Amino acid sequence: SQQGEEDPQALSIQEGENATMNCSYKTSINNLQWYRQNSGRGLVHLILIRSNEREKHSGRLRVTLDTSKKSSSLLITASRAADTASYFCATDPFSGGYNKLIFGAGTRLAVHP
Amino acid sequence: NAGVMQNPRHLVRRRGQEARLRCSPMKGHSHVYWYRQLPEEGLKFMVYLQKENIIDESGMPKERFSAEFPKEGPSILRIQQVVRGDSAAYFCASSPPGQGATGELFFGEGSRLTVL
Repeated sequence: SQQGEEDPQALSIQEGENATMNCSYKTSINNLQWYRQNSGRGLVHLILIRSNEREKHSGRLRVTLDTSKKSSSLLITASRAADTASYFCATDPFSGGYNKLIFGAGTRLAVHP
Repeated sequence: NAGVMQNPRHLVRRRGQEARLRCSPMKGHSHVYWYRQLPEEGLKFMVYLQKENIIDESGMPKERFSAEFPKEGPSILRIQQVVRGDSAAYFCASSPPGQGATGELFFGEGSRLTVL
């Protein structure tokens, strides 16, 4: 079963608006990562937040992590048409010492000009 | 600095044929991961390899699928006797040695397999 579940599955907004995507997971984690995937392309790493961190910023991205609720959110502020993509959260619940990431099904974001 | 290189980008096979997907990790990276993505779904872990060693193949189907990462050359994901259900995008990712489970994965653009 999926470790990470994104919500919503799809999101449609206008340029300039903020986009918020949520991710829930089931087991303890070392860190949680967010990736972006443009249609037909590979995944690009956006941001990593460690289990002992609560919030992290990178440019127009803001990620929060609530380990008590086993959830994370990704906020994209002042969205642009170029932000149109699928966004995936990924967790590493394993203690094997390598990046066996478990991905959710993703949120498909459409930003309209 | 070249990223993760995968080829072919697109591959069409008929049922029963073999598919070979190749992945060259980023320079300096010695850890390779293979993931599979079905349409409209997230990525599913298949296998993790280091040079000449399969470390974790818990996501690999038990039959027809194999992976290797030889001392020289790219990592290869091999699918024998393909079936329509093997149609998917296969992504390779790499990470540097010593990173452990503390960092990001660097993904290639994927190989899209279509089985007719």
